[in-house]
Amino acid sequence: DQQVKQNSPSLSVQEGRISILNCDYTNSMFDYFLWYKKYPAEGPTFLISISSIKDKNEDGRFTVFLNKSAKHLSLHIVPSQPGDSAVYFCAASTRTGANSKLTFGKGITLSVRP
Amino acid sequence: EPEVTQTPSHQVTQMGQEVILRCVPISNHLYFYWYRQILGQKVEFLVSFYNNEISEKSEIFDDQFSVERPDGSNFTLKIRSTKLEDSAMYFCASSERGGQYGYTFGSGTRLTVV
Repeated sequence: DQQVKQNSPSLSVQEGRISILNCDYTNSMFDYFLWYKKYPAEGPTFLISISSIKDKNEDGRFTVFLNKSAKHLSLHIVPSQPGDSAVYFCAASTRTGANSKLTFGKGITLSVRP
Repeated sequence: EPEVTQTPSHQVTQMGQEVILRCVPISNHLYFYWYRQILGQKVEFLVSFYNNEISEKSEIFDDQFSVERPDGSNFTLKIRSTKLEDSAMYFCASSERGGQYGYTFGSGTRLTVV
């Protein structure tokens, strides 16, 4: 069941440059998309989300872009910092209130080189 | 900042034994969840809980699993007869308005079944 796909397992970028993390989905019923960051030995931490009625949401250094026709979203981190090094999960949810479970991708390991 | 607390951080149990994983969600949150992550795999939904009942469960959440909110503050996951394949990181999460707005995850309990 690969409804949410993160096809690249890892990404390495130089400090100060842009990190672009990609995510694809197959279920057209998804209404919300979220990005989580996870450090080792910690739980996932919510970063940013976007509703399917929008194509962009920005929060500080983090911007999420959604292309519904392509069923694709991406997370941009500008500028990248060494502290951003972590595993990033893309997740999706349908608008079903209490039943709004998240379907996660496998995650991508981001390494930001000083 | 409010956090979701999980205990224990690591539990080792013998196959066939019962385990109870404990969670204290954020106090004003209404939606509660259990997820798990088998090593090297994606985070998978187990169960959601709202208004003192299960609102949705996955195929993984079979008769061996149960959840309870015994006293209005704790939220527990019980595995009745553990199997080797139950070895995973189990994450509890809570949300004020439902998963599409982002959960707060706990740091997880690493369950090792031997």
